[in-house]
Amino acid sequence: NAGVTQTPKFQVLKTGQSMTLQCAQDMNHNSMYWYRQDPGMGLRLIYYSASEGTTDKGEVPNGYNVSRLNKREFSLRLESAAPSQTSVYFCASSEFVREEQYFGPGTRLTVT
Amino acid sequence: KNQVEQSPQSLIILEGKNCTLQCNYTVSPFSNLRWYKQDTGRGPVSLTIMTFSENTKSNGRYTATLDADTKQSSLHITASQLSDSASYICVVRPLNSGNTPLVFGKGTRLSVIA
Repeated sequence: NAGVTQTPKFQVLKTGQSMTLQCAQDMNHNSMYWYRQDPGMGLRLIYYSASEGTTDKGEVPNGYNVSRLNKREFSLRLESAAPSQTSVYFCASSEFVREEQYFGPGTRLTVT
Repeated sequence: KNQVEQSPQSLIILEGKNCTLQCNYTVSPFSNLRWYKQDTGRGPVSLTIMTFSENTKSNGRYTATLDADTKQSSLHITASQLSDSASYICVVRPLNSGNTPLVFGKGTRLSVIA
């Protein structure tokens, strides 16, 4: 039982490149989330999926897209990376939106 | 605007000492308040969850208190250990009918030294 897994752990991109961050959970949770964490800013919600087949914008969605591939997987895509997207990205899941969230280990992304 | 403010921003204490971290929030009404521990380089892990009707919840050496009237919560750590060195994040869930996301504080960085 791995919980929430994220790949890759680290990534360096050049400005304008694209990439997809992958997230998977094995807890049969309905809801999944993507956050970014910047120094002095706390965690900020990018997008979330309350249930399979639905996605909604969070606090900071600009420059990102998401796909809820199935109940287990929720990916985050950067179409044209910018230095402002340098951050640590966390995926989380919960049984339902109001329940306790379980976080993955994070992906540290640097955009040069 | 819903906000969660934590203090202090950072704290250094000696191993074995107690400490208290503070959380003030403006989220109202709210469903529950959570404290998370985040070790460096890792994702947050839940310590306690309290509903608006609870005023204290313990998890080992961690005790959270909640005063819904003053909109304040605290996390008390007893007999601190080196492994308590981490960021502690206060999170509030608004009470709304929709899928309103959680409101996160910026965290308190605790360093426990020998």
